[in-house]
Order: sequence, then C-alpha cells, then structure tokens
Amino acid sequence: EVQLVESGGGLVQPGGSLKLSCAASGFTFSGSAMHWVRQASGKGLEWVGRIRSELNGYATAYAASVKGRFTISRDDSKNTAFLQMNTLKTEDTAVYYCTRGRSSSTVWFDPWGQGTLVTVSS
Amino acid sequence: SYELTQPPSVSVSPGQTASITCSGDKLGGEFACWYQQKPGQSPVLVIYQGTKRPSGIPERFSGSNSGNTATLTISGTQAMDEADYYCQAWDSSTVVFGGGTKLTVL
Repeated sequence: EVQLVESGGGLVQPGGSLKLSCAASGFTFSGSAMHWVRQASGKGLEWVGRIRSELNGYATAYAASVKGRFTISRDDSKNTAFLQMNTLKTEDTAVYYCTRGRSSSTVWFDPWGQGTLVTVSS
Repeated sequence: SYELTQPPSVSVSPGQTASITCSGDKLGGEFACWYQQKPGQSPVLVIYQGTKRPSGIPERFSGSNSGNTATLTISGTQAMDEADYYCQAWDSSTVVFGGGTKLTVL
C-alpha cells in the first residue's frame, strides 16, 4: 500500500523553528519528487515547495511566502522527506501535508499523507 | 502571479450532473487536475492530466478542458460526493491551486 505519514507538528512561538518529517512506504521513494502543501483552518490548499529526486539533482523550489525561511530535504536511505521551518510566523499556522508529485508535462499529487498540524502562537 | 479561479459553491440534486469550473490564463496550454477533500480528511486525486481518472475513482467523475477553462463533471451525483473540490495546475516550477469549490448535494 502506498502511504505517507507526517510527524513533527506542534505548537511553536513566533520566530521559532520546527522540523516536519514525512515517512514513505509502498513505492520507490528515491525516484519520486516530494512536495509539501499546507492548509490553514477553513482555507484552501497552498503549495509550499518540493524536492526532486537524485536523478534530478535534488532540485528544490519554494512558494514565495516561505522562500528563505523553509527548507525541504530528503533521506532516501530512510524513505523520508523533511520540511525545516524557521522564523515561523502566525500565518504559517496550518495543517501540513506531504505528497508525492507525479509528472508528465504537468504535475499532480498522489497520494497525500494524513497531515500534521503546526500552530504558531505566543 | 498565476491564479486559478473556481466558483465558491455549487449545488446539485442527487442523481443530477454537477459541473465545477476552473479558469486560468495559462490553462489552454496546461492540463489541470482535480482533488476531492471531505471534512477532516486529506485531499484525494480524482482527475489528472485534464481527463484521466486514477484507479479506484468512480466513472461518474470526468474532466475536460476548453480554452482557458477546465471542468470537473460529476454525473449521477451521489450524497457521498458532497465535498470541497480543488483544481491545480503547474506553471514555471510553481504549483498553483484554485480557491476550492464546495459541492452541496441537496
């Protein structure tokens, strides 16, 4: 079964840091691009960023709203992707999902993890 | 920045056809995909590459594209289809989501 399980969410003060993990199973993780998407309570989906496979140079890309503060990495030996979040702001409060990116002239996401809640508050 | 526009809400009677649109300036050259999200659950892919349906998604879900508008159509809508639906596209290494449409099955 293809599965993604996020962990690491919690309460953090503004200006603080948090690192999320995404454990993958059931597919060839090392050959897959991994993305992070977030959703504030009652709001829509917002793409956070992605990391490509080793074959694609582990290239990363980020949304403008998090660029310079968030870093995506991966450990293919552990089938795990990470989202390091620094200088957190109250507006970063959201459920964070990791998802596998599939591509062929465009990109789509399948499957999605269950999400992990990050709350930025004093 | 690139934007995808969806109607905030769509209502449909059980057994009827629901259509949800997604418009964007660059959709004419791109394939949109669609996700279904029920309350308290993660999004689920229902259409990719404009018209393709993943394994396990009922045949009543279909996608189409015309000009700068992508459309998700649900034929013979069932109560279980009540959910939020999001379109998504890709532009210059950036992923864009529509604002979402709440489908109500009355």
